[in-house]
Amino acid sequence: AQTVTQSQPEMSVQEAETVTLSCTYDTSESDYYLFWYKQPPSRQMILVIRQEAYKQQNATENRFSVNFQKAAKSFSLKISDSQLGDAAMYFCAYRVGGSEKLVFGKGTKLTVNP
Amino acid sequence: DADVTQTPRNRITKTGKRIMLECSQTKGHDRMYWYRQDPGLGLRLIYYSFDVKDINKGEISDGYSVSRQAQAKFSLSLESAIPNQTALYFCATAGGQQETQYFGPGTRLLVL
Repeated sequence: AQTVTQSQPEMSVQEAETVTLSCTYDTSESDYYLFWYKQPPSRQMILVIRQEAYKQQNATENRFSVNFQKAAKSFSLKISDSQLGDAAMYFCAYRVGGSEKLVFGKGTKLTVNP
Repeated sequence: DADVTQTPRNRITKTGKRIMLECSQTKGHDRMYWYRQDPGLGLRLIYYSFDVKDINKGEISDGYSVSRQAQAKFSLSLESAIPNQTALYFCATAGGQQETQYFGPGTRLLVL
């Protein structure tokens, strides 16, 4: 069974600093997609970034980037120049190509200190 | 205006009551999903639909039913609510199998 593990229940970072959130996954599939979603106190689930497994280049969206290590089955999220609005729960998610099911990790709560 | 809306945003009900949670989208997506979020468990898939005539069970469909009234509308029903169905419920949509799923704002349900 596919699983997604986020080993850091909570993280904190100083405003303007950089933080990395960890995610590992377990799969025997070769075609899959990885995602990071952000859930602020408003409860909305917001897509942060997406990575296709067949792409070697790490995805980047403004201050957010990933370190995708396919052999190690690792998919970490780096947030640069952290802002107060980045404070939220962050969920790593995985989906096999051809499947409708998103498998979520348990989340990491990020606190941004002023 | 939000692309994916859910009503109600919060709901309190009693054990044994039938309730319906509604989801509407203006994204023009064919695929719609219902998820449940429990503390410490992430999100789990309840049902999904490829179009009006195609509805499929997810990993935790027991105790739930759905209705796809139109391409833009997908409702989740609890026929006889029980306390362990207290959770945050999310609707999501996607434009195709390879596409990203986009989530609504969630409905917080409390079953007493």
